[in-house]
Amino acid sequence: GENVEQHPSTLSVQEGDSAVIKCTYSDSASNYFPWYKQELGKRPQLIIDIRSNVGEKKDQRIAVTLNKTAKHFSLHITETQPEDSAVYFCAASIFGSGGSNYKLTFGKGTLLTVNP
Amino acid sequence: SAVISQKPSRDICQRGTSLTIQCQVDSQVTMMFWYRQQPGQSLTLIATANQGSEATYESGFVIDKFPISRPNLTFSTLTVSNMSPEDSSIYLCSVDRVNVLTFGAGSRLTVL
Repeated sequence: GENVEQHPSTLSVQEGDSAVIKCTYSDSASNYFPWYKQELGKRPQLIIDIRSNVGEKKDQRIAVTLNKTAKHFSLHITETQPEDSAVYFCAASIFGSGGSNYKLTFGKGTLLTVNP
Repeated sequence: SAVISQKPSRDICQRGTSLTIQCQVDSQVTMMFWYRQQPGQSLTLIATANQGSEATYESGFVIDKFPISRPNLTFSTLTVSNMSPEDSSIYLCSVDRVNVLTFGAGSRLTVL
C-alpha cells in the first residue's frame, strides 16, 4: 500500500519567515495530495490540495508543489503568522471513481511553531 | 462544507467495556469514513462505511473489534469493543463533501 513520509517533524520559525514542509509518497498511482492543518484540540481542516495534472498551486500565502517523477510534494507558507502555528499533515490517495476515493494515507505530521 | 456531528465528544471508559460513537451528517452521503488518531500521532483509516453493505476494513482493523453500522445515508456508528488502554485515541468520522474530505470534531476516548 501507499506510504507517506513527512519531514520535518517539528519546525520553528520567526514571524514573517517562510516555512517549508516536505512529503514523499511511494505509490506512483497516487494522484491526489491534500494538506490538512490541525490546531490543538480541533479537527483537521483542508488548507490546500493538488492533483497530479498540475505542478503547483497557490492560495494567498500557501502554495503546494508536486514533483511526480521524484514522488514528492511540498507545502510552502510565506509571511508566517502566529496563527499558522499548528500540526500540518500531508496525505496521498488515488482519486477516481469508485470506492477508492479518499482512502487517504497521511504523513506523521509537522508541528509548526511561529514565534512572534 | 459538511456539518458533521459526533457523539460523545469525549469519554473515559473502563478496560473491557465497549463504547459506540455516533456520526450524523447534515445531508446524504454515499461513503462515510472512520479514522483513528492516537495521541500525538497521525490519522489512520479504520474503515469505509457504505449504506446497505458491510463496511470495508483496512489492514490491522477487524469487524469484531470495530463493528460499524450505516443504517441510512446520513448516519453511522463505530463501536470500539472490549477496550484496552491501547484504544485510547481520538476517533474521527469523515465524509466527502464537494470532493473534499471533511472531518467531524472527533470523539476522544480514554481507557483506564
